[in-house]
Amino acid sequence: SQQGEEDPQALSIQEGENATMNCSYKTSINNLQWYRQNSGRGLVHLILIRSNEREKHSGRLRVTLDTSKKSSSLLITASRAADTASYFCAPDVGAQKLVFGQGTRLTINP
Amino acid sequence: DAMVIQNPRYQVTQFGKPVTLSCSQTLNHNVMYWYQQKSSQAPKLLFHYYDKDFNNEADTPDNFQSRRPNTSFCFLDIRSPGLGDAAMYLCATSRDRDVRTDTQYFGPGTRLTVL
Repeated sequence: SQQGEEDPQALSIQEGENATMNCSYKTSINNLQWYRQNSGRGLVHLILIRSNEREKHSGRLRVTLDTSKKSSSLLITASRAADTASYFCAPDVGAQKLVFGQGTRLTINP
Repeated sequence: DAMVIQNPRYQVTQFGKPVTLSCSQTLNHNVMYWYQQKSSQAPKLLFHYYDKDFNNEADTPDNFQSRRPNTSFCFLDIRSPGLGDAAMYLCATSRDRDVRTDTQYFGPGTRLTVL
């Protein structure tokens, strides 16, 4: 499969804690993108990390990429209730399209 | 604000009754995409338009068609909806279709119910 596979499928944490979700893929990539989807809404682009980058930050988000392990992780620090959403990775395997994994469903408990 | 708009947000149709979903964008992007997302599943690309050039995914059923009369608008037509077509339909745009650099902007989606 060309898509990434997110792990865990579901994650529930307390507000203020950090949340980490992972994405694994099977072939070499050009880049990898992370998207967020709030319940019943469209996806929102979070961050794009290129294959020659190892880490990237955007606000409370930190994305890492390990091409040797074919994996990426998304860390959300100091989580808030508004971070409750599904998070999808989309590795670019040269197919000229985004292919999303099943996503990680993150719940932030007050 | 520039955005991607989908109408209606909720659509109910009857089994076999044709239905059209609408997407418009104010971003002036070249590419418009249609995705199908079933409950708790990944969004699945149905097809996309690069300008007026239509690109169908190999596994998209013939029941699904699309039209792009101009840069701003794109329509998804389901000729004979079946119960299995009940899903969220997401429209997205991108400036170009180079996924190495371009990100996609999604609309809020249309949730289709088939009775």
